[in-house]
Amino acid sequence: EVQMVESGGGLVQPGGSLRLSCVVSGLTFSDYWMSWVRQVPGKRPEWVANIRPDGTEKYHVDSVKGRFTISRDNAKNSLFLQMDSLRAEDTAVYYCASPRDSTLSLVGAIYHWGQGALVTVSP
Amino acid sequence: DIQMTQSPSTLSAFVGERVTITCRASETVGTWLAWYQQKPGEVPKLLIYQASRLESGVPSRFSGSGSGTEFSLTITSLQPDDSATYYCQQYNSYSRWTFGQGTKVQIK
Repeated sequence: EVQMVESGGGLVQPGGSLRLSCVVSGLTFSDYWMSWVRQVPGKRPEWVANIRPDGTEKYHVDSVKGRFTISRDNAKNSLFLQMDSLRAEDTAVYYCASPRDSTLSLVGAIYHWGQGALVTVSP
Repeated sequence: DIQMTQSPSTLSAFVGERVTITCRASETVGTWLAWYQQKPGEVPKLLIYQASRLESGVPSRFSGSGSGTEFSLTITSLQPDDSATYYCQQYNSYSRWTFGQGTKVQIK
């Protein structure tokens, strides 16, 4: 069974920083493209960032470019999201996510989701 | 970014009815289109990928079709358990994935 366990969420003031972590088990982590997706309750999900299995390619949604950075540690089966210069509009539940398997044609079809980490940006 | 527009925003139908949700992309995405079902308090569940491929374990009453910019999700015989919000999502590259605004399906 695949498990993705996020941590690091919380309440932070505008302009502050947080680092989200996600520990993954039940799959060969180093073979998978990994993603962060966020969702405000009652709103549509929003893709935040992707990272290639070997970490050499990273992509971020325009609204977080220059502020957020996705990274991974394959030796520790862990995915990270460093979030700096946080804004009120970054408030959401952040999910660690992946496709069902490592087949390249499945990258983008999100099958595995973590339980989510709530990030609240407020004075 | 590619904008995804779903219609309708809400629909209400009887058990056993056939329902169709439409998703339109602002530019072509080929068949790189997924459909998700989300119930309150749960994460989205992948139903369909590559526009028409049914994810394993998903009931066969769900089907997807389309390519380019026009897509649809059909439930052939609506069941009480299908009450949920449905989202389409394009993944035409390794970045800039976008979701539709959602369609809330209610049972009459």
